Amino acid sequence: LAKTTQPISMDSYEGQEVNITCSHNNIATNDYITWYQQFPSQGPRFIIQGYKTKVTNEVASLFIPADRKSSTLSLPRVSLSDTAVYYCLVGGFSGGYNKLIFGAGTRLAVHP
Amino acid sequence: EAGVTQFPSHSVIEKGQTVTLRCDPISGHDNLYWYRRVMGKEIKFLLHFVKESKQDESGMPNNRFLAERTGGTYSTLKVQPAELEDSGVYFCASSQVPQETQYFGPGTRLLVL
Repeated sequence: LAKTTQPISMDSYEGQEVNITCSHNNIATNDYITWYQQFPSQGPRFIIQGYKTKVTNEVASLFIPADRKSSTLSLPRVSLSDTAVYYCLVGGFSGGYNKLIFGAGTRLAVHP
Repeated sequence: EAGVTQFPSHSVIEKGQTVTLRCDPISGHDNLYWYRRVMGKEIKFLLHFVKESKQDESGMPNNRFLAERTGGTYSTLKVQPAELEDSGVYFCASSQVPQETQYFGPGTRLLVL
């Protein structure tokens, strides 16, 4: 499965847009890109998933360039409650199973 | 609809003792996964059940760990005997089908003294 690289930490302020970029140079053709969010003392929570171009839901947007070697999670107008660790995962869903491989994640701190 | 639940939320035991963790997946989810994060490390996959069958147990660290899912509903993860390096947070997740989103429980925090 493709290895991912993302910033260890980021800081932002309330109301700002936050973009977290993840590199996955060895992404395979059948790999999807998935982002999870984790608050302290909780399990990871699915945010968004995409394969190419742009995906948007009520929480975030995911931008994936044509070569798919990177992706950017965009959080519009963050609030204090968005302080969390964000994980970028890349993997395929072939073989009948889905084994998530987590990296270190990006620790986002949102300040007042 | 209830999410994935795990019991206990915390467990403190002494080295050499046995601990059993329980996971109740979302109702109707045939796929159940165990993960863990030991101190300072990343979240690691342990194993995957499809109903009551072990689909992939490649992440199980050693034979001190035994996972079961009798009847294809809840699952237990037993550590016997526990060692200091087993301390960490054990997460359970479930999904309806393997290709779909995995929903995680809050985790069980295990401390082995």
